[in-house]
Amino acid sequence: GEDVEQSLFLSVREGDSSVINCTYTDSSSTYLYWYKQEPGAGLQLLTYTFSNMDMKQDQRLTVLLNKKDKHLSLRIADTQTGDSAIYFCAPRAGSGYALNFGKGTSLLVTP
Amino acid sequence: DTGVSQNPRHKITKRGQNVTFRCDPISEHNRLYWYRQTLGQGPEFLTYFQNEAQLEKSRLLSDRFSAERPKGSFSTLEIQRTEQGDSAMYLCASSWSTEPGDTIYFGEGSWLTVV
Repeated sequence: GEDVEQSLFLSVREGDSSVINCTYTDSSSTYLYWYKQEPGAGLQLLTYTFSNMDMKQDQRLTVLLNKKDKHLSLRIADTQTGDSAIYFCAPRAGSGYALNFGKGTSLLVTP
Repeated sequence: DTGVSQNPRHKITKRGQNVTFRCDPISEHNRLYWYRQTLGQGPEFLTYFQNEAQLEKSRLLSDRFSAERPKGSFSTLEIQRTEQGDSAMYLCASSWSTEPGDTIYFGEGSWLTVV
């Protein structure tokens, strides 16, 4: 909900880099997840990071975390048409086990 | 590893009827979660199990909703006296951990349409 905000849409050309941004409000969030969702499907875990890590790289994915500003970003290098989907940032609540999702960013990759 | 399995994948029911969804987590995963997702929104947390114990429930889980995980393996989510507002995708997820951080895998979801 409103505890997690992302831009609703992003359009990039095939081969370019995509950067999806996320801000969250719960400063006690210690684990922050990124998921991908294709139409009509469930959520695919892309990566997750801990709040004590400023950066995490995993193949074409780079996660940057600015804990002070509560800002998280996901960079996808060499974006492909198969990357077109909705991307969700989901910080885990500081107390408890729930993941907090925003509305997600719909990424469209054009040839 | 066959992933998180959910059944049925689609359910159409009349308002007022009861429905039950089943989730089979990844084998030996001790944590199980239920979420609800409506069109154009992100998933919303409903409840969390560690083994057979239901440790966390959202205020979204009204008294018409009940979830169980009787033997710490599969789980069921029952909705009684369904309403049109219950139409959504119900997502199950599972993970293995004894620590707060864990790799959480989601199933493909169960779509509910209440007519």
